[in-house]
Amino acid sequence: ETGVTQTPRHLVMGMTNKKSLKCEQHLGHNAMYWYKQSAKKPLELMFVYNFKEQTENNSVPSRFSPECPNSSHLFLHLHTLQPEDSALYLCASSQDPGLAGGYNEQFFGPGTRLTVL
Amino acid sequence: AQKVTQAQTEISVVEKEDVTLDCVYETRDTTYYLFWYKQPPSGELVFLIRRNSFDEQNEISGRYSWNFQKSTSSFNFTITASQVVDSAVYFCALSRIIQGAQKLVFGQGTRLTINP
Repeated sequence: ETGVTQTPRHLVMGMTNKKSLKCEQHLGHNAMYWYKQSAKKPLELMFVYNFKEQTENNSVPSRFSPECPNSSHLFLHLHTLQPEDSALYLCASSQDPGLAGGYNEQFFGPGTRLTVL
Repeated sequence: AQKVTQAQTEISVVEKEDVTLDCVYETRDTTYYLFWYKQPPSGELVFLIRRNSFDEQNEISGRYSWNFQKSTSSFNFTITASQVVDSAVYFCALSRIIQGAQKLVFGQGTRLTINP
């Protein structure tokens, strides 16, 4: 596997379900990100992890719970979601800009298309 | 506050036409980076270009070119001799570093359709 992978690619869940989205990067990066892409809205940054430490929580509701066990894996645990949470959830990774002396591009996974019924 | 505006929601052109996608940004940072990403129907965002705030040289990569004008806070993207495979949603983004990690602020995106 190369690049950034996400599973599952599609997920349908009820409002009372608990599910998890998984992201894995094979690029040796140390920063990982969760984004939400809703219809007709810009991509919204949800969480940022740098060297496994959460450095950004962009006012995300507590029904979304991230977990980063190591620099290669990132999870998004979902519980009691609402229909308005239906969206494409994108994971990304990048090399810590401090090590490279600048800003590095983020590499994105294919996303998980989530539908909440 | 940081903001990226892509005023063109959708553009449709015939194959081989040239097309320019506009991007205007707002930031108070003196050091920042600008990016363009392409999102094909498969969903993943594909990195196209990165430009830092101190480098206003235009860049050309094959049929793609970028025009960075700091005076007008614009970073426009032109596709020359467009092809059907260029059909996608294109996003402009502005970056800053927060606590060692990169935060990207995206524009709304421009859906580009190239018709045969």
